[in-house]
Amino acid sequence: KQEVTQIPAALSVPEGENLVLNCSFTDSAIYNLQWFRQDPGKGLTSLLLIQSSQREQTSGRLNASLDKSSGRSTLYIAASQPGDSATYLCAVSGAGNNRKLIWGLGTSLAVNP
Amino acid sequence: EAGVTQFPSHSVIEKGQTVTLRCDPISGHDNLYWYRRVMGKEIKFLLHFVKESKQDESGMPNNRFLAERTGGTYSTLKVQPAELEDSGVYFCASSPRGLASSSYNEQFFGPGTRLTVL
Repeated sequence: KQEVTQIPAALSVPEGENLVLNCSFTDSAIYNLQWFRQDPGKGLTSLLLIQSSQREQTSGRLNASLDKSSGRSTLYIAASQPGDSATYLCAVSGAGNNRKLIWGLGTSLAVNP
Repeated sequence: EAGVTQFPSHSVIEKGQTVTLRCDPISGHDNLYWYRRVMGKEIKFLLHFVKESKQDESGMPNNRFLAERTGGTYSTLKVQPAELEDSGVYFCASSPRGLASSSYNEQFFGPGTRLTVL
């Protein structure tokens, strides 16, 4: 049974810092991995998707890496800004016909001005 | 292009009542998913439609939950009768049909419906 763990559960940093959020999963037979952002009381915004055959994806100040064999992904945020404050969620999609997502609990990030 | 929409955004009902949530996926997306987040827990899968057919409903909590997707367009999720533990945020997501060559099957999410059962 696939389980997804995110560390740390919460993080508070001063503006401008580079930071890394971690995601681990127990079953390496995944189809893809997505990182999402959720603002308080809002929906889920997809940030990056990494296919199982890929090693990393980049979008602006965000870089996500995937090491499928070790069951790990990291989300790197460069030069953090107060607007980056949100909950970041990691989810993996299984390799079967059903692409249902299995989720971590998320990392709550606060970037202080 | 319009994104995934969900209605209502909030619903407050009393235990024993019935509530119906609606999801309109992105036009042309064959795959439609329902997920739920209960406070303090991770988001969990409820079920998956491919067009109008239920591909996987293994995440549905019990028979008080009924999902439909008539005509393969919008979907409804009905909870009858609602219980206190049904409170949470219900998310809907859609993705295009996978292609043989490559399809990221990226799921696009709606804003969610926050359900409170009193």
